[in-house]
Amino acid sequence: AQSVTQPDIHITVSEGASLELRCNYSYGATPYLFWYVQSPGQGLQLLLKYFSGDTLVQGIKGFEAEFKRSQSSFNLRKPSVHWSDAAEYFCAVAPGDQGGKLIFGQGTELSVKP
Amino acid sequence: GAGVSQSPSNKVTEKGKDVELRCDPISGHTALYWYRQSLGQGLEFLIYFQGNSAPDKSGLPSDRFSAERTGGSVSTLTIQRTQQEDSAVYLCASSLDRGPYGYTFGSGTRLTVV
Repeated sequence: AQSVTQPDIHITVSEGASLELRCNYSYGATPYLFWYVQSPGQGLQLLLKYFSGDTLVQGIKGFEAEFKRSQSSFNLRKPSVHWSDAAEYFCAVAPGDQGGKLIFGQGTELSVKP
Repeated sequence: GAGVSQSPSNKVTEKGKDVELRCDPISGHTALYWYRQSLGQGLEFLIYFQGNSAPDKSGLPSDRFSAERTGGSVSTLTIQRTQQEDSAVYLCASSLDRGPYGYTFGSGTRLTVV
């Protein structure tokens, strides 16, 4: 069965430091891949997505993610974190044969130290 | 509308009562999804509607859960005989069509069963 693993439940970084959030998926073919962010009390906002082509994708708010087929990974990165980035981040996979249904990871909560 | 609208934003109900949660998708979006987010958990797929096709109900956790979508627009998720384990945030999302192009999420309904 398809699955998404976000190994880090909670990460704390200092403001201005770089960030990498890990995501691994299990799926037989290349899936569609997504990162969403959820601020406290808010719905989820799409940060970026990968369908095909260039394996480094740029998103909103200065985020980027790299698809590595050999590692079944789609890690999210940001070179310099801002206090407003504190939120929960979800990686998701859309198996191509199930319409638009998404399979989400458990999420990584990001805290930012001043 | 401009975004996905969900109502109520908060609902407290007594165990054993029925509840209805409403989702008003973005105008013109043919696909509509319901997810459940329990405390500290990722998002769990519940049900998916696409146009006039039969819905994908594969994620509904029990027969106490049902959903309908009238006129291809507004959707209602009904939980009968609520249990405490039903307490969660119920998120609705819509997208242009059945492709996994990334959803627009509503802000959710926080359901508390006491």
